[in-house]
Amino acid sequence: QKEVEQDPGPLSVPEGAIVSLNCTYSNSAFQYFMWYRQYSRKGPELLMYTYSSGNKEDGRFTAQVDKSSKYISLFIRDSQPSDSATYLCAMSARTGGGNKLTFGTGTQLKVEL
Amino acid sequence: ETGVTQSPTHLIKTRGQQVTLRCSSQSGHNTVSWYQQALGQGPQFIFQYYREEENGRGNFPPRFSGLQFPNYSSELNVNALELDDSALYLCASSSPGPGEEKLFFGSGTQLSVL
Repeated sequence: QKEVEQDPGPLSVPEGAIVSLNCTYSNSAFQYFMWYRQYSRKGPELLMYTYSSGNKEDGRFTAQVDKSSKYISLFIRDSQPSDSATYLCAMSARTGGGNKLTFGTGTQLKVEL
Repeated sequence: ETGVTQSPTHLIKTRGQQVTLRCSSQSGHNTVSWYQQALGQGPQFIFQYYREEENGRGNFPPRFSGLQFPNYSSELNVNALELDDSALYLCASSSPGPGEEKLFFGSGTQLSVL
């Protein structure tokens, strides 16, 4: 079993839709949770960063972390064609020995006109 | 502010050869990490360098090695290339302290091993 599970999609939605992306994890030591966006043939770009449980909002993006359920989500409101990309969840335990991020496989999102 | 830059962008090698990939960290960042991203997968942690020392390593064999230089730039070396080494190699930089988990990635080097 992978430490981080993420539905690979692809997920196709119409422009303006609300998108929900999710990851589950098994390592209870994870404390830091991130969402990255990756366009084709580019490196991942940090979108959201959250410590421990709770919600964080930034513009059209909302990140939620539920440590009791080991479940994290990213919501995108009023989705745009420019949001079409692969979304990667990532987590870190910061237990020493380097700042290792453990990534999900990524969900491919397409927002259609 | 200068972002993370990697070179080359693409590389084709033959099985058994050796390769060196290069990375310049973002301005003000002194920690560099390397990740391998196979097609359709998330990035996998190879290792991290801080103050020119390896500071954490993932589940990769010793033929994957690295260096960090005094200006915080870094190299990833892979010896005895195998077909499965074909992947996007990503370099990321960060700054120690609060928020050090925030990694800033370069665009990567696409390595193809034939």
